Amino acid sequence: KQEVTQIPAALSVPEGENLVLNCSFTDSAIYNLQWFRQDPGKGLTSLLLIQSSQREQTSGRLNASLDKSSGRSTLYIAASQPGDSATYLCAVYNNAGNMLTFGGGTRLMVKP
Amino acid sequence: NAGVTQTPKFQVLKTGQSMTLQCAQDMNHEYMSWYRQDPGMGLRLIHYSVGAGITDQGEVPNGYNVSRSTTEDFPLRLLSAAPSQTSVYFCASSFRRGEAFFGQGTRLTVV
Repeated sequence: KQEVTQIPAALSVPEGENLVLNCSFTDSAIYNLQWFRQDPGKGLTSLLLIQSSQREQTSGRLNASLDKSSGRSTLYIAASQPGDSATYLCAVYNNAGNMLTFGGGTRLMVKP
Repeated sequence: NAGVTQTPKFQVLKTGQSMTLQCAQDMNHEYMSWYRQDPGMGLRLIHYSVGAGITDQGEVPNGYNVSRSTTEDFPLRLLSAAPSQTSVYFCASSFRRGEAFFGQGTRLTVV
């Protein structure tokens, strides 16, 4: 059974710092990996999708990498802002493409 | 562009009552799914559908029914609500293996 772990569970940083969120998964037979953002009481907003054939994806200040062989993905946030405060979730698609398995999330607080 | 729309946003049920959570998407996605989110348990898959007329069970299907008569709609039915079904429910849609889009969630309390 696929298990997805996110470390750290919570992170507090001052505004302007660059930071890295980690995601690891136990079964490397994944198809895609997706990073989401969730604000309190809200739904999930898609940030980046990395296909299994890719090693990284970039969107603005966000860069996500994927190393299937080691079962790891990282989300890099450059020049963090208070508006980045949220919970960040990673999820992996199984090979059939019909199921996402989620990590427990990293709760990020960026202090002004 | 509405994306994935869930109704209602909030609901309180008494134990034993039934209800249907609605989910609609306007992106012509063939894949739709339902997840529940619980503190300490994360998001878990309840049921999913790979197209109209085709549904399958996920990780935690007991107590829930689904059907998919159109591409756009994927309702989730609670047959006889139990306190253990108190949760936040999310509907998602995607193309096969594509980027998943989520609705805003339904917060359900069973008393």
